[in-house]
Amino acid sequence: AQSVAQPEDQVNVAEGNPLTVKCTYSVSGNPYLFWYVQYPNRGLQFLLKYITGDNLVKGSYGFEAEFNKSQTSFHLKKPSALVSDSALYFCAVRDQGDDMRFGAGTRLTVKP
Amino acid sequence: GAVVSQHPSWVICKSGTSVKIECRSLDFQATTMFWYRQFPKKSLMLMATSNEGSKATYEQGVEKDKFLINHASLTLSTLTVTSAHPEDSSFYICSARDLFRDYEQYFGPGTRLTVT
Repeated sequence: AQSVAQPEDQVNVAEGNPLTVKCTYSVSGNPYLFWYVQYPNRGLQFLLKYITGDNLVKGSYGFEAEFNKSQTSFHLKKPSALVSDSALYFCAVRDQGDDMRFGAGTRLTVKP
Repeated sequence: GAVVSQHPSWVICKSGTSVKIECRSLDFQATTMFWYRQFPKKSLMLMATSNEGSKATYEQGVEKDKFLINHASLTLSTLTVTSAHPEDSSFYICSARDLFRDYEQYFGPGTRLTVT
């Protein structure tokens, strides 16, 4: 069975600084990896995914993530944070043909 | 892009009554739909997986007689919370997997259920 861990409950960054939200995963086969963002009382919005191919994945709103197979990581990054990026971020993993499992979530706060 | 809708977006009901939540894939066919529950400031917990035309598969600890799931067509799944109690109050999110793009999974906007 697959699982995903987000080791940080909270990440605080200053506006304009780079941000990283960490994610590590565990699957038995080749993983499908996803990042979603959730604003208060809203559903999940898709940011980006890794299925195969280039390890650096670019997504919505200037976010990107790097798939690192040796470290089983898929950290979310953005070069310059915006206050409007403040939200709850979820990493998710799917083993092929299996269910999607979510990390516990990381609350990102970007301060002006 | 693919859109998943949920109805209602929020509902308040009295303890002991039943509530039905609809999940629709608007522009794609979904053989598989998922129901998640999210507690405040917590992650999504998978409740059940439903495949069109067959019985839902429930996760361990989820009462199938309390949370009735029906997936009658390739675009509609429903979750009925039967005999609701205040502890059932939560944010329920459905998700649908695209029939033709199996790796894609789309999420609805969620339904806020409050049981008084």
